[in-house]
Amino acid sequence: DADVTQTPRNRITKTGKRIMLECSQTKGHDRMYWYRQDPGLGLRLIYYSFDVKDINKGEISDGYSVSRQAQAKFSLSLESAIPNQTALYFCATSGRGSSDTQYFGPGTRLTVL
Amino acid sequence: AQKITQTQPGMFVQEKEAVTLDCTYDTSDQSYGLFWYKQPSSGEMIFLIYQGSYDEQNATEGRYSLNFQKARKSANLVISASQLGDSAMYFCAMREANQAGTALIFGKGTTLSVSS
Repeated sequence: DADVTQTPRNRITKTGKRIMLECSQTKGHDRMYWYRQDPGLGLRLIYYSFDVKDINKGEISDGYSVSRQAQAKFSLSLESAIPNQTALYFCATSGRGSSDTQYFGPGTRLTVL
Repeated sequence: AQKITQTQPGMFVQEKEAVTLDCTYDTSDQSYGLFWYKQPSSGEMIFLIYQGSYDEQNATEGRYSLNFQKARKSANLVISASQLGDSAMYFCAMREANQAGTALIFGKGTTLSVSS
């Protein structure tokens, strides 16, 4: 089984709809992240969490919210989806050390019509 | 200003040849880490190699090596003996030790195409 899983893997939705992307990990890491990838822009940080009580905004948090339900679960919500939120979304986890590798989920391809 | 710069949008190489993917970075921290990830067309992000700012030796992992030139702030990825399966997007990323969250800052990526 994969260490970091994301559901759904693909989603098409309409403008104005609320949508939740879920992430689970079995690596036992405290730190979890949500990134989005747009063509030609690399990955950009949306939110990150050190533990269930510590959630922080990243570079592009507007229009998104998150919930850390447990150490292993970190969800990303789009309260009212808009077309420019069409992107590939990645969840990632890492240990606490600065040299710790960040492990990524398989990604969720979201299309907002 | 960009913290991670990958100047090559696309690179082309023949099988069995070596290829260097460029990455320069910008930080005022003394302690930081540099990472390379591979993203095949299937979309997943695969960790390749890590270099710490205090590491004396260049990192190597199988056919991957990192040419780390600290004074020039460059961390180029070298792939030896390219294979068709190396065709993918490659991202350079940095983690600054003093940055809250220890999240990675990514470059925009380089697309590598390997031909037979």
